Amino acid sequence: EIVLTQSPTTMAASPGEKVTLTCLASSSVNYMYWYQQKSSASPKLLIYYTSILASGVPDRFSGSGSGTSYSLTISSMEAEDAAIYYCLQLTSTPPTFGAGTKLELK
Amino acid sequence: EVQLVESGGGLVQPGASLKLSCVASGFTFSDYWMSWVRQTPGKTMEWIGDIKYDGSYTNYAPSLKNRFTISRDNAKSTLYLQMSNVRSEDTATYYCSAPNYGSPFAYWGQGTLVTVSS
Repeated sequence: EIVLTQSPTTMAASPGEKVTLTCLASSSVNYMYWYQQKSSASPKLLIYYTSILASGVPDRFSGSGSGTSYSLTISSMEAEDAAIYYCLQLTSTPPTFGAGTKLELK
Repeated sequence: EVQLVESGGGLVQPGASLKLSCVASGFTFSDYWMSWVRQTPGKTMEWIGDIKYDGSYTNYAPSLKNRFTISRDNAKSTLYLQMSNVRSEDTATYYCSAPNYGSPFAYWGQGTLVTVSS
């Protein structure tokens, strides 16, 4: 199965700061998906097909990448962005998630 | 509005069986594949499996396929997860999910917590 390695594991950002989260795949994948999970809530789809924002997602979020290297960027950190972010690959069965990056507000 | 409501979780002893349910609304349930995903207390996300819209085909994570069974009742818009011979490592929050945006995990329920302990 494809292993997704997210970095950093944990980070803190100040309001207005640019944030970049990385997801590396053990084999090439066609697309990457990104999810946001706040405290005890269910995961929420943020980005699909690597770079397309799901409905209602603020445009300060963006995704990019190809092959084995993908990233999620928040152009300007806001308090409500504090959460755990997961990447997901669907290219190979079974679908696999990264271990997550915990993003905290500084 | 898509809604998924899981139920059936709780405290269960090792070796026991448990059946989880997920009632769907806000979309035509019988038109879509549905999935189960679990999240461990350590926040690790694991795909369990999925089921075709008519219930005729299922896929499972290799490590779970001998103990977990996914089924559905389209007349009741309900998805099921039958868990057998549960182990402590099955302790997790179990989510059902529905597809959209090219992902089988576009919509999630609130989850139901299963704790396996004697």
